[in-house]
Amino acid sequence: TQLLEQSPQFLSIQEGENLTVYCNSSSVFSSLQWYRQEPGEGPVLLVTVVTGGEVKKLKRLTFQFGDARKDSSLHITAAQPGDTGLYLCAGAPGTASKLTFGTGTRLQVTL
Amino acid sequence: DAGVTQSPTHLIKTRGQHVTLRCSPISGHKSVSWYQQVLGQGPQFIFQYYEKEERGRGNFPDRFSARQFPNYSSELNVNALLLGDSALYLCASSLGEYTQYFGPGTRLTVL
Repeated sequence: TQLLEQSPQFLSIQEGENLTVYCNSSSVFSSLQWYRQEPGEGPVLLVTVVTGGEVKKLKRLTFQFGDARKDSSLHITAAQPGDTGLYLCAGAPGTASKLTFGTGTRLQVTL
Repeated sequence: DAGVTQSPTHLIKTRGQHVTLRCSPISGHKSVSWYQQVLGQGPQFIFQYYEKEERGRGNFPDRFSARQFPNYSSELNVNALLLGDSALYLCASSLGEYTQYFGPGTRLTVL
């Protein structure tokens, strides 16, 4: 069974601070996706990473896929209140296959 | 372009009843997956269909069943509802590669 562990589980920071969320597994994934979810809504895709060592940037968000494709990180620079939400990583063992989700990181950014 | 749509948005049932949830994928997407998200946890994989055939099944009892129609829309059926089936049910569609796009979900409450 493939498991993904995220850390930290909860994070409360002030506007302007930087933060990093980690997603770790003992299994290798063909791809890893990051989503953000608001309460009562479906997860919204942020990024998909496929190549080991890959780094992708989305405005103030930087995503990295580990060289061995077992882990990933999400770094947010100068967090804003609009970044508040549940961040989920999800790994896929292959194409067109099921996603295994991480435990989630709940982020709260206050003024 | 319309995203993944799900109906109904909310549903209240009593124990022992049956429920049918519906999903329409993004136009052109042939793969549909269903996930269950219990409050406070990440989504758990239930089923995946591709070109109307079941491609994968998660660790859920036989009370859960699904199907995909020729237009690639899908239904998730749950029989003999239990209190523990209360959750947000998410549908995701994919072109068949890595990335899955989620709908807004159906919130099922079992009393």
